[in-house]
Amino acid sequence: QITLKESGPTLVKPTQTLTLTCTFSGFSLRNGGVGVGWIRQPPGKALEWLAFIYWDDDERYNPSLKHRVTITKDTSKNQVVLTMTNMDPVDTATYYCAHQTVVLITFGPLESWGQGTLVTVSS
Amino acid sequence: SYVLTQPPSVSVAPGQTAKLTCGGNNIGSKNVHWYQQKPGQAPVLVVSADRDRPSGIPERFSGSKSGNTATLTISRVEAGDEADYYCQVWDDISDLVFGTGTKVTVL
Repeated sequence: QITLKESGPTLVKPTQTLTLTCTFSGFSLRNGGVGVGWIRQPPGKALEWLAFIYWDDDERYNPSLKHRVTITKDTSKNQVVLTMTNMDPVDTATYYCAHQTVVLITFGPLESWGQGTLVTVSS
Repeated sequence: SYVLTQPPSVSVAPGQTAKLTCGGNNIGSKNVHWYQQKPGQAPVLVVSADRDRPSGIPERFSGSKSGNTATLTISRVEAGDEADYYCQVWDDISDLVFGTGTKVTVL
């Protein structure tokens, strides 16, 4: 059974850097065809993907946020970390991590999601 | 960048059929995935690769594709199907793309 759980601060101040950790079980980023990523959702709005990282160290970033976002992995801890700089109130959202499989060159669906964590940006 | 367009809302009576559309250029060449998101919950995959249902998803949920439109059909709609639904593809240029989402209201 695959599980993912997000952790990190619930409140950050404007201009600060946000660091969120996704801790997962039921799979390993050492195995081929596996990816973990971050998606966020402002209150009442649509889903927006932020970044994904794969077993082969491939990293993908949403172009609109690439200059602010970094994704890293710690395979020994089964964790993926998202860092987002220069936080602004518009970044207030629920942040989810999710598991993705890659078959050959085909990026599959997001089969499992964490419960999400609400991050509020306010002074 | 690649765009997926969904109608903002769909209303349907219990027991009837809801058809949710997802439009995108050349969507026929892409695998379309659908997610259900109930209030306060994380999204759940309900259809993958156009028409495959993950384990545990009722047969009432089905996917199809024609031309530049993918469709999620919910048959025999129940009150518990009230949720937001998002389509998603992987694009060679834009990478992951979510649709704008459709809110399904059960009357």
